[in-house]
Amino acid sequence: NAGVTQTPKFRVLKTGQSMTLLCAQDMNHEYMYWYRQDPGMGLRLIHYSVGEGTTAKGEVPDGYNVSRLKKQNFLLGLESAAPSQTSVYFCASSYPGSQGKETQYFGPGTRLLVL
Amino acid sequence: AQSVAQPEDQVNVAEGNPLTVKCTYSVSGNPYLFWYVQYPNRGLQFLLKYITGDNLVKGSYGFEAEFNKSQTSFHLKKPSALVSDSALYFCAVRDSSTPGYSSASKIIFGSGTRLSIRP
Repeated sequence: NAGVTQTPKFRVLKTGQSMTLLCAQDMNHEYMYWYRQDPGMGLRLIHYSVGEGTTAKGEVPDGYNVSRLKKQNFLLGLESAAPSQTSVYFCASSYPGSQGKETQYFGPGTRLLVL
Repeated sequence: AQSVAQPEDQVNVAEGNPLTVKCTYSVSGNPYLFWYVQYPNRGLQFLLKYITGDNLVKGSYGFEAEFNKSQTSFHLKKPSALVSDSALYFCAVRDSSTPGYSSASKIIFGSGTRLSIRP
């Protein structure tokens, strides 16, 4: 199993450009998450999904949109990139067998630089 | 509101010595506590978790953590550090009283502690 994969690994955008980050998991997990990691701030939840066709806002959703059209994929979109969105983005997934107790599995991350 | 704190940005330990990475938390109900490790240019990897039961939890790579309810702490420990343990460590907490699917959004990560093991 590949686990959780993310595409692309690194991207440079100009302010105002748009892009989509792709996350894929092959573990048949119901839950998927998008986080951003900034120095000294740990991970902050952007959006999450508890199943195919459902999404919800996390702690820092502004400027991002998501879609979960297929169970194995979770897309994160930036419609108009801003320098404040320069960060490392991590996708994660988990199996909701025991809600709250489940372990999250993380992808390798996407490093985004917005100029 | 729930929160988690890792009071040390960096911990430096000599190889072979014991190590401790500190974590304290605040939740309204009973906590679910997690430790994750991040190696350079990699995603987070699960180390161990406390759900209920024995306060001493054993995890991957020889790490263990002790849940202390009175001190609201969940410190990560290892008896003998290895150079390969050098990485960024994150503590995370969920409040077990959060019902239903909303628990999916309620995990809070600490700011991370960089562990450096010198040969």
